[in-house]
Amino acid sequence: DVKVTQSSRYLVKRTGEKVFLECVQDMDHENMFWYRQDPGLGLRLIYFSYDVKMKEKGDIPEGYSVSREKKERFSLILESASTNQTSMYLCASSTLKDRVRDTQYFGPGTRLTVL
Amino acid sequence: QQQVKQSPQSLIVQKGGISIINCAYENTAFDYFPWYQQFPGKGPALLIAIRPDVSEKKEGRFTISFNKSAKQFSLHIMDSQPGDSATYFCAASVGSARQLTFGSGTQLTVLP
Repeated sequence: DVKVTQSSRYLVKRTGEKVFLECVQDMDHENMFWYRQDPGLGLRLIYFSYDVKMKEKGDIPEGYSVSREKKERFSLILESASTNQTSMYLCASSTLKDRVRDTQYFGPGTRLTVL
Repeated sequence: QQQVKQSPQSLIVQKGGISIINCAYENTAFDYFPWYQQFPGKGPALLIAIRPDVSEKKEGRFTISFNKSAKQFSLHIMDSQPGDSATYFCAASVGSARQLTFGSGTQLTVLP
């Protein structure tokens, strides 16, 4: 089974802090994604990566950055956390070799609260 | 901009009833339409998917109906069970883009 793990289930930070959210997948997937999930807005793509050291902006990249130094690990960075970044953050991975096209495998999420 | 519009936002169904969730899309380049199911405390997981060259796909109690001319697709859950209570997301993708555009989600509650 594909396993996507996220470093924390719950995180509380203060406004202005630098925040790191870590995601690790164990299936050698080339694609990794970061989403935020808010009620009524669904899943919105923040950044994604097709390969090591490669990144592409999603729909809402403002206020975020990412890092992918190793294939299995994709980090989301909030340079200076703000209260409007309070949300559920979901990491996902996928591979072109999957028998069902574009299937994304999600981690359990990190609920971030910025005070 | 929301390229995939999903309704209703919430749905309450009696056990044994039919749950219907609808999605509409704008981008005619979309060529793959999956549905994801998310239980509380878990990440979403693929439930069922369809390509636009077929009008319907059925897997057990779950059926996707697809109307290409109307740019709409829907998820039908037959004989709904309390264990089906979850949030459902429709999604769409284009070619080999690998990205998914998700709808806003529907919280389904099936009453025992």
